[in-house]
Amino acid sequence: GQQVMQIPQYQHVQEGEDFTTYCNSSTTLSNIQWYKQRPGGHPVFLIQLVKSGEVKKQKRLTFQFGEAKKNSSLHITATQTTDVGTYFCAYSGAGSYQLTFGKGTKLSVIP
Amino acid sequence: SQTIHQWPATLVQPVGSPLSLECTVEGTSNPNLYWYRQAAGRGLQLLFYSVGIGQISSEVPQNLSASRPQDRQFILSSKKLLLSDSGFYLCAWSPVTGLQPQHFGDGTRLSIL
Repeated sequence: GQQVMQIPQYQHVQEGEDFTTYCNSSTTLSNIQWYKQRPGGHPVFLIQLVKSGEVKKQKRLTFQFGEAKKNSSLHITATQTTDVGTYFCAYSGAGSYQLTFGKGTKLSVIP
Repeated sequence: SQTIHQWPATLVQPVGSPLSLECTVEGTSNPNLYWYRQAAGRGLQLLFYSVGIGQISSEVPQNLSASRPQDRQFILSSKKLLLSDSGFYLCAWSPVTGLQPQHFGDGTRLSIL
């Protein structure tokens, strides 16, 4: 079955540094979603990617879906303390309602 | 707009006691509903999902059960809690049409003593 690896598990950065988390699959994904969970909070939907090579931007966040649709990345430029939290990628099988979440990357930002 | 309510926010229960967590969605009809569990510092594990009243699919065999007595109500239950049932329980909903994002409730922190 499909397996998704999310790396790194943890990342500590100095405020102002960039941050990237990767989601890698052994098989082709039909879609990928990204969520952010603040400490003590619930996951909040950020973006959905469905097309090969797709790139989407939200202010300082850049999301990419690989050409082969086997990997995805979330890049944050010039991190701020408000970026602290755990970032999850998630995907569903074709025609499925269920999402499978990666294990997440926990981001700490040192002021 | 749509909102999701989940309660209680925190719960401390003794081993062997029953459990009932409730989730309701407002502002939409016939949503897909989901129950997840998140162990401390870990990812989300899908427990149950429902595409309609009375329709429950279980992802992980365990001593938990779910029910959907009304279109926008989803309940997670257990007859006898185990220590391993501790965790952060999250309810979520998504629109029924197409591939849509999931929207989560605030969650219930369950501690078993």
